[in-house]
Amino acid sequence: DIQMTQSPSTLSASVGDRVTITCRASQGISRWLAWFQQKPGKAPNLLIYKASSLKNGVPSRFSGSGSGTEFTLTITSLQPDDFATYYCQHYNSYSGASFGRGTKVEIK
Amino acid sequence: QVQLVQSGAEVKKPGASVKVSCKVSGHTLTELSMHWVRQAPGKGLEWMGGFDPESGKTIYAQRFRGRVTMTEDTSRDVVYLELRSLRSEDTAVYYCAILWSFNWFDPWGQGTLVTVSS
Repeated sequence: DIQMTQSPSTLSASVGDRVTITCRASQGISRWLAWFQQKPGKAPNLLIYKASSLKNGVPSRFSGSGSGTEFTLTITSLQPDDFATYYCQHYNSYSGASFGRGTKVEIK
Repeated sequence: QVQLVQSGAEVKKPGASVKVSCKVSGHTLTELSMHWVRQAPGKGLEWMGGFDPESGKTIYAQRFRGRVTMTEDTSRDVVYLELRSLRSEDTAVYYCAILWSFNWFDPWGQGTLVTVSS
């Protein structure tokens, strides 16, 4: 099975900061990676798919990059609404879906 | 716009079974790949299984095989998750979600809290 390793697990930042979250796959997954944002008590929301494609309606301060085994989610100029937990996710037909353990972005 | 609406919270005793439903609107269920993901309190997301479009079969995470069944009622556009032999560690919010292009989940249902307690 493919394991997804996210870092850091917690990130303290201020409004206006640039934030980067990393996700590493245990083997190459091309660009088959998605990123989600989750707020307490709510379902996850898709932000990015295919590593770098922004879902319609998601603010352009969110961006994704990477391929193979290393991926990043970047938030330029962090906004108050962005304090949440972020997950990376990969799916394949052999082993199904796997998620990173999450990165909590909290107020510094 | 596709929407997913799940059934309400459940409280079950250890050893019992639970069946959670997810109603699809805005799209034909037969054209969708439906999956289930759960989240224990304060923990991360855990994929349980779903319809794999490449193989045309329902696949399950290994740790749930033999204890979980996912079914569909295409006449009502409803999918179901049944989990048997419940234990306290199964206390979690259970989400249905649609898998697109063999890769990403969107949207998700609102979640159903299942509490397992004696």
